[in-house]
Amino acid sequence: RKEVEQDPGPFNVPEGATVAFNCTYSNSASQSFFWYRQDCRKEPKLLMSVYSSGNEDGRFTAQLNRASQYISLLIRDSKLSDSATYLCVVILNTGFQKLVFGTGTRLLVSP
Amino acid sequence: DAGVTQSPTHLIKTRGQQVTLRCSPKSGHDTVSWYQQALGQGPQFIFQYYEEEERQRGNFPDRFSGHQFPNYSSELNVNALLLGDSALYLCASSSIQGGGNQPQHFGDGTRLSIL
Repeated sequence: RKEVEQDPGPFNVPEGATVAFNCTYSNSASQSFFWYRQDCRKEPKLLMSVYSSGNEDGRFTAQLNRASQYISLLIRDSKLSDSATYLCVVILNTGFQKLVFGTGTRLLVSP
Repeated sequence: DAGVTQSPTHLIKTRGQQVTLRCSPKSGHDTVSWYQQALGQGPQFIFQYYEEEERQRGNFPDRFSGHQFPNYSSELNVNALLLGDSALYLCASSSIQGGGNQPQHFGDGTRLSIL
């Protein structure tokens, strides 16, 4: 079983739609959680951290369920510029800053 | 303030050759991590350097080696290149003082193609 699992998509949505991505992780010792965004042939860029209490940044909302080992990302009012691959990332509680990535979920927003 | 910088941007090699990739961390950062991202996959952790030593290593063979210099910059060396080594190689830097749970910021990557 992969340490971090995501639906690879692609998710095809029209502009203005709301879309949700899910991610599960296998190691209960995972300590920190993030969503990264990666544009085609570019480096991953941090989108937001994910906290147990849930957190929001504009149109983006992230949720963490430690009991179910499940992370989600909700994007409201999708824009064409949101088209990208969204990577779910965890850090294990090893004391080292080793990021463990999912395979990513591809989002395509169309006019 | 420059972020993480990597060189070269692109590289083409043939099987059996050796390659060296370079990374300069963001100013103020002392830890460098390397990742390999194959097409359609998420980045995979190769190893991490701090104080010029390898702190942790992922599931990569000994053909992959690295080095960190006193100025915190780092090199990734790959020997006996295989077709499967074709990938985007990403460098990320962070500060040990930030703790083990901070996110990392990546350089633009080096795209390595093996013919």
